[in-house]
Amino acid sequence: EAGVAQSPRYKIIEKRQSVAFWCNPISGHATLYWYQQILGQGPKLLIQFQNNGVVDDSQLPKDRFSAERLKGVDSTLKIQPAKLEDSAVYLCASSLDHSTDTQYFGPGTRLTVL
Amino acid sequence: AQSVTQPDIHITVSEGASLELRCNYSYGATPYLFWYVQSPGQGLQLLLKYFSGDTLVQGIKGFEAEFKRSQSSFNLRKPSVHWSDAAEYFCATGSYQLTFGKGTKLSVIP
Repeated sequence: EAGVAQSPRYKIIEKRQSVAFWCNPISGHATLYWYQQILGQGPKLLIQFQNNGVVDDSQLPKDRFSAERLKGVDSTLKIQPAKLEDSAVYLCASSLDHSTDTQYFGPGTRLTVL
Repeated sequence: AQSVTQPDIHITVSEGASLELRCNYSYGATPYLFWYVQSPGQGLQLLLKYFSGDTLVQGIKGFEAEFKRSQSSFNLRKPSVHWSDAAEYFCATGSYQLTFGKGTKLSVIP
């Protein structure tokens, strides 16, 4: 069974530029999560999708971050414009359902904003 | 709000020694509790989880954890550490959403 795929693995941009991350969850998983992991911290949930609908985006900085999950499969997370404090690893995870199912994590995208 | 605290930022143990990583949770009802491991450059992998029932939970890679309601703890243990266990370990709580602790980095001395 293929795991959660993410790309790119690394990205370096200048502040005020835009960037997009892509996630392909495990086949058949209805729920998809995006987390932000700042160095030295645990992951923090940014947004949760159930199929192609948003379940929770209360911690997503909506003035600069956006995410979509068209067709309920792949997802894209965008930052526009990026700030220095957005430097972090962005993790995508998926689970069968949104209750107590195990979340499976991708390898993450490490973003450096200069 | 639910939260977890991992008091130890960094722990170093010798290979073959026993290991205990601490996790304290804050939650009114019976919490859902998890331990994840993150190797360098990798995503998180679930080691074990507790929802209810037997308070001693067995996980993968020889790890176990014990839920102690009286101490609000869910400590992770392993009787004999291998060099490949060097990684960062995260305790988490939640059902619909996970709230993670700040992690404990484990170093293993050969």
